[in-house]
Amino acid sequence: GAGVSQTPSNKVTEKGKYVELRCDPISGHTALYWYRQSLGQGPEFLIYFQGTGAADDSGLPNDRFFAVRPEGSVSTLKIQRTERGDSAVYLCASSFNARVGDTQYFGPGTRLTVL
Amino acid sequence: GESVGLHLPTLSVQEGDNSIINCAYSNSASDYFIWYKQESGKGPQFIIDIRSNMDKRQGQRVTVLLNKTVKHLSLQIAATQPGDSAVYFCAENIGSYIPTFGRGTSLIVHP
Repeated sequence: GAGVSQTPSNKVTEKGKYVELRCDPISGHTALYWYRQSLGQGPEFLIYFQGTGAADDSGLPNDRFFAVRPEGSVSTLKIQRTERGDSAVYLCASSFNARVGDTQYFGPGTRLTVL
Repeated sequence: GESVGLHLPTLSVQEGDNSIINCAYSNSASDYFIWYKQESGKGPQFIIDIRSNMDKRQGQRVTVLLNKTVKHLSLQIAATQPGDSAVYFCAENIGSYIPTFGRGTSLIVHP
């Protein structure tokens, strides 16, 4: 079956602009996670959804970042007033449930560049 | 504290050799550990996991060893192949399902 997909694969924007990044999880996976990965670093947790609700958004760096998952499937990460420091690869992952031991399957990521 | 840097630790091996990638973790409360492989342009891929009540777990060509006394985790890859070239991350779970990733080690396999 299809894995996690993310669109766009690359996004270049100007400082101050608004961007949306989309994640299509594996069908049937109730848990969805967003991470951010800077060059040379491991992924850093941003937010996690169980179904439609954000169960843990403790990793969002500030209120410019917001994510939704209105129907419990596709999720969109939204970044307002982008800054150069937001440049990174944004990874999405999904798992069947959110329990320790449930494998998270990652998408290929969206590379965001803020000029 | 956090370590920040662009240069990953690198392990270079010859095809056919065994590889050992090491990881130190800091939190003695960590109860679940995962190794991921990340190839260029792709997301991390699950390799193998181990719970804190175990000290060894084997998969296909891979073995994870956990030493809780010194808070050390290692990934052993047998008969390393060029397709194993990637960045390898260890991740720890501290009482939750959200993994905390380490910095990663770049494995380069020479044919």
